[in-house]
Amino acid sequence: EPEVTQTPSHQVTQMGQEVILRCVPISNHLYFYWYRQILGQKVEFLVSFYNNEISEKSEIFDDQFSVERPDGSNFTLKIRSTKLEDSAMYFCASTRTVVGYEQYFGPGTRLTVT
Amino acid sequence: AQRVTQPEKLLSVFKGAPVELKCNYSYSGSPELFWYVQYSRQRLQLLLRHISRESIKGFTADLNKGETSFHLKKPFAQEEDSAMYYCALYPNQGGKLIFGQGTELSVKP
Repeated sequence: EPEVTQTPSHQVTQMGQEVILRCVPISNHLYFYWYRQILGQKVEFLVSFYNNEISEKSEIFDDQFSVERPDGSNFTLKIRSTKLEDSAMYFCASTRTVVGYEQYFGPGTRLTVT
Repeated sequence: AQRVTQPEKLLSVFKGAPVELKCNYSYSGSPELFWYVQYSRQRLQLLLRHISRESIKGFTADLNKGETSFHLKKPFAQEEDSAMYYCALYPNQGGKLIFGQGTELSVKP
């Protein structure tokens, strides 16, 4: 069964550095999402992406964040200048169509900012 | 405001006991609700959705619009049910899911 993959599984970076988290959604899916989960807290929506543009973003998704689909397979989340509070698990998800369909999640990337 | 509340962080039961994981939502429209499960060291995966009214791994959930609840139930818990369970609301806007805080279910032998 096809799966969403994410790399790396764990990323350690210093405050102020740029990080790029990578995701490969399921190949025939059209809608892509990033969520994050700070340790001990709920999974929070960051951004949704469809047809090569952001369709919705949360308050968390400020100017430090950007997303890109650089080719037909990868979907990336960039944090331009990381802060300590960006430390979290970041999940990528994809779905074939937006209405009521299952979102398939990747295994997550644990980002640790020191 | 769109919100999902799971009041219990941890629910511990013995094998064979009934289980009910509570979920309440706040949403003014007609909601679509889901339960996702995360087994240890695995990814979030869909357990069930209210529109399909199916039973997966013995779990069921009924949408109660009057009480704005979508509680997850299983009559006889198994040890392999131990996991984190997340209730999620799809508010029909752009596809995002709004998650509750999650309930850790621990089924003891």
